[in-house]
Amino acid sequence: QKEVEQDPGPLSVPEGAIVSLNCTYSNSAFQYFMWYRQYSRKGPELLMYTYSSGNKEDGRFTAQVDKSSKYISLFIRDSQPSDSATYLCAMSARSGGYQKVTFGTGTKLQVIP
Amino acid sequence: NAGVTQTPKFQVLKTGQSMTLQCAQDMNHNSMYWYRQDPGMGLRLIYYSASEGTTDKGEVPNGYNVSRLNKREFSLRLESAAPSQTSVYFCASSEFVRIVNQPQHFGDGTRLSIL
Repeated sequence: QKEVEQDPGPLSVPEGAIVSLNCTYSNSAFQYFMWYRQYSRKGPELLMYTYSSGNKEDGRFTAQVDKSSKYISLFIRDSQPSDSATYLCAMSARSGGYQKVTFGTGTKLQVIP
Repeated sequence: NAGVTQTPKFQVLKTGQSMTLQCAQDMNHNSMYWYRQDPGMGLRLIYYSASEGTTDKGEVPNGYNVSRLNKREFSLRLESAAPSQTSVYFCASSEFVRIVNQPQHFGDGTRLSIL
């Protein structure tokens, strides 16, 4: 079983829809939770990160962490065609002298105009 | 504003050949990383450099070596390429923060095929 599980999709939604992207994890030591966006043939870019449980909002994006359920979500409001990309969740826990980051495999999102 | 620049963008090697992947960042970041991305596997850390003058192994270091040439540059070397090293390689950087040190900025990758 992978430490971080992410549905690969693809997920297709109409423009303007609310998108929910999710990851589950098994390691209770994870402390920091990140979301990255990766456009085709490009490197990932860090969208948001949160520490511990709770919500964090940034424009149309909301990241939610539920440590009791080992479940994190990224919500995108008023989705746009430019949001079409692969979204990677990532989580980190202290391992030796550094924060070891474990990535999910990504969910491919397509927003249809 | 270049960010993280990787060269080359594409490369085809034969088994047993060697090559060096170059990475440079212009954001004055302390920490740099090398990842590989394979289908169905997610990004995996090969090596990282927390600060200039230090390098450490990540999850999958076998078959690779790194050099932190200076604060800007971090290279990855394959001494004797194997087909299992066919992958997309990403370099990343971040400001060093005492508690959180996750990669913030990625380059656009080097697509490496080993025949």
